[in-house]
Amino acid sequence: NAGVTQTPKFQVLKTGQSMTLQCAQDMNHNSMYWYRQDPGMGLRLIYYSASEGTTDKGEVPNGYNVSRLNKREFSLRLESAAPSQTSVYFCASREMQGSHSPLHFGNGTRLTVT
Amino acid sequence: QQPVQSPQAVILREGEDAVINCSSSKALYSVHWYRQKHGEAPVFLMILLKGGEQKGHDKISASFNEKKQQSSLYLTASQLSYSGTYFCGTAQTGANNLFFGTGTRLTVIP
Repeated sequence: NAGVTQTPKFQVLKTGQSMTLQCAQDMNHNSMYWYRQDPGMGLRLIYYSASEGTTDKGEVPNGYNVSRLNKREFSLRLESAAPSQTSVYFCASREMQGSHSPLHFGNGTRLTVT
Repeated sequence: QQPVQSPQAVILREGEDAVINCSSSKALYSVHWYRQKHGEAPVFLMILLKGGEQKGHDKISASFNEKKQQSSLYLTASQLSYSGTYFCGTAQTGANNLFFGTGTRLTVIP
């Protein structure tokens, strides 16, 4: 049982380049999330998808777009990368929307923008 | 809406106890606790729902005081494996997302 799988694990981009971070879960979860983690800042929510077909902004959505491709997959796109987007990105999922169920995290993508 | 955690860091010797606190300025419905080891993903520890319950797992337990909008994580008789950064995540009624604190780095030494 793989859980939440993120690709790639590492990525280096130049300012202005674009890329898509991929996330897939095999737990039949309804809700999926993208967080970024910066030193001293904790985990901050970028976007989330409460259920297939819906997406909503989190705390720090500027510079990002998301696509809930199907129930399993939720991708995060950086259209024009900036050094401020250097961070570790975590995808997470949970069984249902609302706060009753725990988040299951992927292993993260370490992104460096030069 | 980010909750405040304290302390920011703590060093313990094996067998000692620790308390990590999490407080919010907003009325809370639930509090989650996660542990993250260096270079790894956060791992779920427990959820506390509105009602002031206390939960425990092995030697790690937590309480939730909804009136004070506070939660505390208790680690007793700490083990080397408890080392890591602990995050609380808080949610308000009806909310789909969690707001995470900045974390408490716990180091257990022999």
